[in-house]
Amino acid sequence: VQLVEAGGAVVQPGGSLRLSCAASGFAFDDYTMHWVRQAPGKGLEGVSLITSDGDTTYYSDSVKGRFTISRDNSKNSLYLQMNSLRTEDTAFYYCVKDMSPKYSGYVSEGSDYWGQGTLVTVSS
Amino acid sequence: QLVLTQSPSASASLGASVKLTCSLSSGYNNYAITWHQQQPEKGPRYLMKVNSDGGHIKGDGIPDRFSGSSSGIERYLIISSLQSEDEADYYCQTWGTGILVFGGGTKLTVL
Repeated sequence: VQLVEAGGAVVQPGGSLRLSCAASGFAFDDYTMHWVRQAPGKGLEGVSLITSDGDTTYYSDSVKGRFTISRDNSKNSLYLQMNSLRTEDTAFYYCVKDMSPKYSGYVSEGSDYWGQGTLVTVSS
Repeated sequence: QLVLTQSPSASASLGASVKLTCSLSSGYNNYAITWHQQQPEKGPRYLMKVNSDGGHIKGDGIPDRFSGSSSGIERYLIISSLQSEDEADYYCQTWGTGILVFGGGTKLTVL
């Protein structure tokens, strides 16, 4: 399993950024996927979830209405569109695979693989 | 509300054993959790899933020195024969019907 994030950059407050994650080594279209972030020196925070078929998404209260998660199963790719960025969005963003396959009937059963992360810095 | 609580820090000597605790909020004693290790300047790595009955499923390549158990609302990560590379932050994680929920993490120092 390999998850490779890209798209992190320095952006001004109010700006936008799109993160991507290229997945390989597993049946991408069978699994729920997540974005998790970690502000410098802080703990982990679940940001968003998308089910295997892309039909169901969830967001943390801190990003709801500003971030959009999506996936392209034909390209084995996960995305996070981030709009109206704030300084408090500064963090490493990790692409994370859930361990629940779509036939389990569960949206999530916890995560088992992480990408290496991409750094988003929101600063003027 | 589903909340995970971890002690901020723990320490143990090289070669000794340590037991890290993750507490689920009241009423969630049937929930499973996962443990993740984050070594300095690295991304997190999945260690294992711990069920409410204490059964655990480890990730690929995780040494036998790592094990898990449960009691009530508490989930444990036990590391035996501590090595210097075990010095890291350890996070527990659970899930409801939405996004992943994390504990605040425990910073383990190997003396």
